[in-house]
Amino acid sequence: RKEVEQDPGPFNVPEGATVAFNCTYSNSASQSFFWYRQDCRKEPKLLMSVYSSGNEDGRFTAQLNRASQYISLLIRDSKLSDSATYLCVVNRPSTNAGKSTFGDGTTLTVKP
Amino acid sequence: DAGVTQSPTHLIKTRGQQVTLRCSPKSGHDTVSWYQQALGQGPQFIFQYYEEEERQRGNFPDRFSGHQFPNYSSELNVNALLLGDSALYLCASNTGGGTDTQYFGPGTRLTVL
Repeated sequence: RKEVEQDPGPFNVPEGATVAFNCTYSNSASQSFFWYRQDCRKEPKLLMSVYSSGNEDGRFTAQLNRASQYISLLIRDSKLSDSATYLCVVNRPSTNAGKSTFGDGTTLTVKP
Repeated sequence: DAGVTQSPTHLIKTRGQQVTLRCSPKSGHDTVSWYQQALGQGPQFIFQYYEEEERQRGNFPDRFSGHQFPNYSSELNVNALLLGDSALYLCASNTGGGTDTQYFGPGTRLTVL
């Protein structure tokens, strides 16, 4: 079983739709959580950090459930420009350094 | 403010050869991590450098080695290349040993023939 698992999709939605992505992680020692966005053949870029209290940035809302070891990302009013792969990232501090573990990503295509 | 830079952008090698990839971290960052991203997968952690030392390593063989220089830039070396080493190699930087948000470079796309 992978340490971080995501539904690969693809998710194909019309403009204006609301879409939700889920991510589960297996290591309970994980301490920080992020969503990154990756466009085709480009590097990942930070979308938002994920906090236990939940956090919102415009049309994007991220939630963390530590008890269930589950992270979610909600996108409201989808735009064509939201089409990308969304990567869930879990950081687990070690004695010397943090280690980031990525999921394999969920692909979103927003259609007119 | 310069972001993370990597060179070269593309590279083609043959099996058995050796390759060196380079990374300069974002201004103000002192920690560099390297990742391998195969097609259709998420980035896989190779190792992280902080204070010129390898601080943590993922599940990669000893053919993968690295170095960090006093100016915080870093190199990734891969010996005895295999076809399966073909991937996008990403460098990410942050501060203080690497628990903060990482910023990625554009990557080096390595093709092994």
